[in-house]
Amino acid sequence: LAKTTQPISMDSYEGQEVNITCSHNNIATNDYITWYQQFPSQGPRFIIQGYKTKVTNEVASLFIPADRKSSTLSLPRVSLSDTAVYYCLVGDISGNTPLVFGKGTRLSVIA
Amino acid sequence: SQTIHQWPATLVQPVGSPLSLECTVEGTSNPNLYWYRQAAGRGLQLLFYSVGIGQISSEVPQNLSASRPQDRQFILSSKKLLLSDSGFYLCAWSVWGPVAEAFFGQGTRLTVV
Repeated sequence: LAKTTQPISMDSYEGQEVNITCSHNNIATNDYITWYQQFPSQGPRFIIQGYKTKVTNEVASLFIPADRKSSTLSLPRVSLSDTAVYYCLVGDISGNTPLVFGKGTRLSVIA
Repeated sequence: SQTIHQWPATLVQPVGSPLSLECTVEGTSNPNLYWYRQAAGRGLQLLFYSVGIGQISSEVPQNLSASRPQDRQFILSSKKLLLSDSGFYLCAWSVWGPVAEAFFGQGTRLTVV
């Protein structure tokens, strides 16, 4: 499994765009990049997934450069309710490899 | 629609007592099933995962075990709890496909005293 590296924590003010970068130098050809969000005392929630270039949904955007050795989760105009831990996962989507979560990035949004 | 049930929500157990946490999934077939543990302020640690009935992979050696007696039932057990077993236990399921998304239960807060 490809190892991921994320910043331990980030702070942001409300209304700002937040970009969280994840490094995954050993990503394999069949691997996808998936991001989850976790609030205290809850299980993680899927945010977005991508393979290359850019993916956007109603919650976030995911930017993946051509070499795929890193990815950036972009949260537009964050609010206090976006305060959570964000996890970057790398793995194939066959279902035969387990979902391994790293330590994640603790995002604190300040009013 | 698919749902996942995990119980109990909270549990206080004495050291040395047994443990059984149950997780069931509805609305899907042959899901991949996972047990995670999260200590206070820490990340998610994968304990066990299963790709089918009777197929269990253990990620971390410890005094816990898991079983999958039915397709959509996943059980986490221990014969004798340790203080270090305290934590937030989460069950999850996923199916493979174009977007392999995992869905988590509400979790069990276990305190071993």
